[in-house]
Amino acid sequence: DTAVSQTPKYLVTQMGNDKSIKCEQNLGHDTMYWYKQDSKKFLKIMFSYNNKELIINETVPNRFSPKSPDKAHLNLHINSLELGDSAVYFCASSLLGQGRANEQFFGPGTRLTVL
Amino acid sequence: AQKVTQAQTEISVVEKEDVTLDCVYETRDTTYYLFWYKQPPSGELVFLIRRNSFDEQNEISGRYSWNFQKSTSSFNFTITASQVVDSAVYFCALSERWTSGGYNKLIFGAGTRLAVHP
Repeated sequence: DTAVSQTPKYLVTQMGNDKSIKCEQNLGHDTMYWYKQDSKKFLKIMFSYNNKELIINETVPNRFSPKSPDKAHLNLHINSLELGDSAVYFCASSLLGQGRANEQFFGPGTRLTVL
Repeated sequence: AQKVTQAQTEISVVEKEDVTLDCVYETRDTTYYLFWYKQPPSGELVFLIRRNSFDEQNEISGRYSWNFQKSTSSFNFTITASQVVDSAVYFCALSERWTSGGYNKLIFGAGTRLAVHP
């Protein structure tokens, strides 16, 4: 029944490591997103894919690389992790909807802690 | 420039009080969308409402109501007879047209933390 799922829920790792977060949606949506929520709860979009094509790419270090194998999956790979990458990462999905903004459905979040 | 301002960082009320969460936005577009999301202590983000810029009719859903005023660029959210389960961080967000022609880029405000005490 889970609409947008993310794995893992928690990720604790050392600085310099490479890690991935996976996201899957079963809502039949064509667009997926990655958001970062920092320690002050501020939410900011990082990337968006529509039908496996990158359509939003905010000012994010190129250590972050999203990959969308199909429109139901959007993974986030992070190289050379830094302390400042510690945050909660949310995946979301929606229908793109030309000429309108559809609501985005969010996953449960992945709390990344870099030591 | 910050486009969505939620000036109230934290609000504390006692159960059954009414509470209004303020949201002021800034945009040069004539067509845009506004959203409210709730983030309870469990951490997930829950969609509450979407409003487009051409629909200024206020909306009520149970104890929740929203007041959209284009003249003051505000989209305020009122909870009537608050309950402990309303305790959460509430986010207002703006979606305006951007380069690809879509409206799917959400810009969030900083959030308002609401604590409802018994």
